[in-house]
Amino acid sequence: NAGVMQNPRHLVRRRGQEARLRCSPMKGHSHVYWYRQLPEEGLKFMVYLQKENIIDESGMPKERFSAEFPKEGPSILRIQQVVRGDSAAYFCASSPLGEIRNTIYFGEGSWLTVV
Amino acid sequence: AQSVTQLDSQVPVFEEAPVELRCNYSSSVSVYLFWYVQYPNQGLQLLLKYLSGSTLVKGINGFEAEFNKSQTSFHLRKPSVHISDTAEYFCAVAPLGGKLIFGQGTELSVKP
Repeated sequence: NAGVMQNPRHLVRRRGQEARLRCSPMKGHSHVYWYRQLPEEGLKFMVYLQKENIIDESGMPKERFSAEFPKEGPSILRIQQVVRGDSAAYFCASSPLGEIRNTIYFGEGSWLTVV
Repeated sequence: AQSVTQLDSQVPVFEEAPVELRCNYSSSVSVYLFWYVQYPNQGLQLLLKYLSGSTLVKGINGFEAEFNKSQTSFHLRKPSVHISDTAEYFCAVAPLGGKLIFGQGTELSVKP
């Protein structure tokens, strides 16, 4: 859905560099979800955030990955010291409330390639 | 915990033929059920969702799905497909108040 803006759409990083992926939720949405889609696989939940709070990070790798959703500005998914296995499409989604009954809108995704 | 199994990784069909994409789920609690479509290099778009009520759910683009609690299934159907339906289709479940859990996806390929 065009309402959730992700950038960059494509990002190439060398092994060991940092990758920062940004997500601006739809207007009025205060809940953000990050998912990762590895080649030939479905989407895997990573983290769920509200403004200034991490609600559920059970899908985040223990090391090198972090996420934030500050009071002002977009949500950021940060991957430090990237490795080839981090190459994937990263999707952000937003919803107005944390209730799954409400439709979650997905962004167009950010494709990370680690060379 | 919840899990979703999409039984077919690829489904090739001819244009104007009917299609069914299968989805089974496992959960010890009540869940909501969803189908999403992903066109190449794009994000996910919601096709339809089951929250409660009638077990037959109609969505966009002529798709419908039926919730079968006894068989824990939520199969997606369309009576007549178009070339433009070629895409990846994802089934997903979410417990009340929880997060979406996706299946592996089914690649629908519609041939002329």
